[in-house]
Amino acid sequence: DAMVIQNPRYQVTQFGKPVTLSCSQTLNHNVMYWYQQKSSQAPKLLFHYYDKDFNNEADTPDNFQSRRPNTSFCFLDIRSPGLGDAAMYLCATSRSPGQGADTQYFGPGTRLTVL
Amino acid sequence: GQNIDQPTEMTATEGAIVQINCTYQTSGFNGLFWYQQHAGEAPTFLSYNVLDGLEEKGRFSSFLSRSKGYSYLLLKELQMKDSASYLCAVMDSNYQLIWGAGTKLIIKP
Repeated sequence: DAMVIQNPRYQVTQFGKPVTLSCSQTLNHNVMYWYQQKSSQAPKLLFHYYDKDFNNEADTPDNFQSRRPNTSFCFLDIRSPGLGDAAMYLCATSRSPGQGADTQYFGPGTRLTVL
Repeated sequence: GQNIDQPTEMTATEGAIVQINCTYQTSGFNGLFWYQQHAGEAPTFLSYNVLDGLEEKGRFSSFLSRSKGYSYLLLKELQMKDSASYLCAVMDSNYQLIWGAGTKLIIKP
């Protein structure tokens, strides 16, 4: 089945220790998104890629970076995780960025804990 | 600014009907989405409305009134597995999704 896969599902890191989260997709979608979601809050968009065109949200901290080496894979790097970065990180994909019926499909998420 | 409002929490009884409301103020409108999110899991797509009216999909229906900036999600014949958060999201004029914080629905036997 076509899907969005995230690894790992649970990640524990230490304060200040870099961590990388990964996402892959078999849907052949052009657009990939990274969201941060804290408990009982709306998902917050960090980045999105249309193909390899990178789009950084204005309020995404510099501590977060992203890479998309090819259509299928996307990575989220957190250079120096703080306690406030503990959250669920969601990867999503869609076919194209500019069409109203362009549904976003989510992976299962990575739950990040910072000790 | 852009804003999506939904009730924080609702409670309903198994087998009953519940309506979850969403009001929005956004820069432009290119459609409204409803997602279901079980605790600790990712959101899953439920419905999409871009024209006024009711879209029915099995036990779930979604309604939109663009002039009122209003939508609702109607869940019929509630089952215990429907206990989840329901997120309303609007696609604005820049084709960005603006998300509500979600409505936590608790189903009681």
